[in-house]
Amino acid sequence: ILNVEQSPQSLHVQEGDSTNFTCSFPSSNFYALHWYRWETAKSPEALFVMTLNGDEKKKGRISATLNTKEGYSYLYIKGSQPEDSATYLCAFSSGSARQLTFGSGTQLTVLP
Amino acid sequence: NAGVTQTPKFQVLKTGQSMTLQCAQDMNHEYMSWYRQDPGMGLRLIHYSVGAGITDQGEVPNGYNVSRSTTEDFPLRLLSAAPSQTSVYFCASSYAGQPNEKLFFGSGTQLSVL
Repeated sequence: ILNVEQSPQSLHVQEGDSTNFTCSFPSSNFYALHWYRWETAKSPEALFVMTLNGDEKKKGRISATLNTKEGYSYLYIKGSQPEDSATYLCAFSSGSARQLTFGSGTQLTVLP
Repeated sequence: NAGVTQTPKFQVLKTGQSMTLQCAQDMNHEYMSWYRQDPGMGLRLIHYSVGAGITDQGEVPNGYNVSRSTTEDFPLRLLSAAPSQTSVYFCASSYAGQPNEKLFFGSGTQLSVL
């Protein structure tokens, strides 16, 4: 069983603040790293899928970076808004099976 | 676009009862999967399928059965529900199940077993 850790577990920020959180994963046998946003009472939705060391992806105010050699990915949110409040999940794949191993998520609350 | 449709949204069972959680997708995805979400834990894979007639076990398969008779449908069966199966269940699909393909999730089923 692969170990995928996310930190912090929860986070409260003020509207307008920028924030970031971390996903740590095994650095060996890397194939892909996924980020999902999960809003309360909704389905998790994919933000990014990254496969290459040094990859950077951006979607509006949200961006992510990937370091496969040291086994971590950062998710950044610039100028947080209340609608960014959600749980952010990362998931790691070693490519050895059609399976993803999910972290337990970072729960972000943006206060107006 | 319906995407991934799960039913029911909520269910309460008594210990020992059986039930089937339904999942259907209209995106012609070959890969479908079932996850459970428990507090403080990541989504854990129960069973998955890479095409009609093909299923395989994930990380936590005990107590659950699946079948895949069509590309569109992937039901999850609890034969004899136990309180340990109280959880939120998500169905997810992707085009071919490759690790670099994003998953599309259903809206979840909140199951309580008393």
